[in-house]
Amino acid sequence: DADVTQTPRNRITKTGKRIMLECSQTKGHDRMYWYRQDPGLGLRLIYYSFDVKDINKGEISDGYSVSRQAQAKFSLSLESAIPNQTALYFCATSDQTFSTDTQYFGPGTRLTVL
Amino acid sequence: KQEVTQIPAALSVPEGENLVLNCSFTDSAIYNLQWFRQDPGKGLTSLLLIQSSQREQTSGRLNASLDKSSGRSTLYIAASQPGDSATYLCAWKYALNFGKGTSLLVTP
Repeated sequence: DADVTQTPRNRITKTGKRIMLECSQTKGHDRMYWYRQDPGLGLRLIYYSFDVKDINKGEISDGYSVSRQAQAKFSLSLESAIPNQTALYFCATSDQTFSTDTQYFGPGTRLTVL
Repeated sequence: KQEVTQIPAALSVPEGENLVLNCSFTDSAIYNLQWFRQDPGKGLTSLLLIQSSQREQTSGRLNASLDKSSGRSTLYIAASQPGDSATYLCAWKYALNFGKGTSLLVTP
């Protein structure tokens, strides 16, 4: 089984709908991240969490919210989806140790907002 | 906002060539730097992590160097193969800041 899983893998929705993307990990890492990837813009950080009680905004948090339900679960919500949120979304985890902070990525969720 | 720049944006080379990918960053503070590989439509795979106290890391045909004083890192790929074709991304400051990547094509 994969260490970092994302559900769903693909989703098509309509403008104004509420969407939740889920991420689970079995690596036992404290740190989890949500990114979006757009052609020509690279990978941009939406939110990150260094432990269950710690949530931080990233570069592009507007229009998104997150929930860290447990060490292993980190969900991303779009309260009212809009077309420019169409992108590939990645969840990632890393060890708490700064000096060895290798990141492990999930397979991604392709979201299309019509 | 800290900037991470990768040059070139795209690169095409014949099989067997040695090549260098560049990554530069504006903040020279003591953070680590990580190189990733991404295949089309897939997630990212970590290739090499250079800790802030290190100058380089090696894994097989890959060698990454870090020069904090100049704000640069390079990824050297020796004897390139078609299977190396992918997008290579660097990330600075515990992977909170990513470059846009270099798209590499190695032709047989």
